[in-house]
Amino acid sequence: EAGVAQSPRYKIIEKRQSVAFWCNPISGHATLYWYQQILGQGPKLLIQFQNNGVVDDSQLPKDRFSAERLKGVDSTLKIQPAKLEDSAVYLCASSGGLAGIYEQYFGPGTRLTVT
Amino acid sequence: AQSVTQLDSQVPVFEEAPVELRCNYSSSVSVYLFWYVQYPNQGLQLLLKYLSGSTLVESINGFEAEFNKSQTSFHLRKPSVHISDTAEYFCAVSERTGRRALTFGSGTRLQVQP
Repeated sequence: EAGVAQSPRYKIIEKRQSVAFWCNPISGHATLYWYQQILGQGPKLLIQFQNNGVVDDSQLPKDRFSAERLKGVDSTLKIQPAKLEDSAVYLCASSGGLAGIYEQYFGPGTRLTVT
Repeated sequence: AQSVTQLDSQVPVFEEAPVELRCNYSSSVSVYLFWYVQYPNQGLQLLLKYLSGSTLVESINGFEAEFNKSQTSFHLRKPSVHISDTAEYFCAVSERTGRRALTFGSGTRLQVQP
């Protein structure tokens, strides 16, 4: 079974530029999560999708971050414009299928550096 | 809302010695408990989980954790560590009902020395 795929793996941009991250969850997983992991901290939820609907986006900075999950499969997370404090690893995770709804599988992450 | 506290940011230990990584949580609702491991330059992997039943849960590589409801703890232990156990370990909780997103602690870096 293929794991959660993310791209790009690394991205360096200047502040005020925009950036987009892509995630392809494990096939058949209905729930998809985006987490932000700042250096030295644990991951923090940004947004949770159930199929193509948003379950929780209470911690998403909506003035600059947006996310979508078209057709309930792939998802894109965008930052526009980026700030220095957005430098972090962005993790995508999915759950569902035979493993059940409680076990989340994580992708390798996208490391964003904002200069 | 939930919160997770990992009291030790770094734990250095010699190979074959025992280790305990501490985790305490706070929640107004019932939760499930997890330990994730992040090896250098790799993604997060589930190490073990407590959903229900026996309060002692084990992983395939010798780690175990015990859920203590009265002390709201879920400490991770291994009786004898290997160099290959060097990694960052994250304790996490999720609500038993409703949204199932994980709330993570800040992580503990386990450094196993020869």
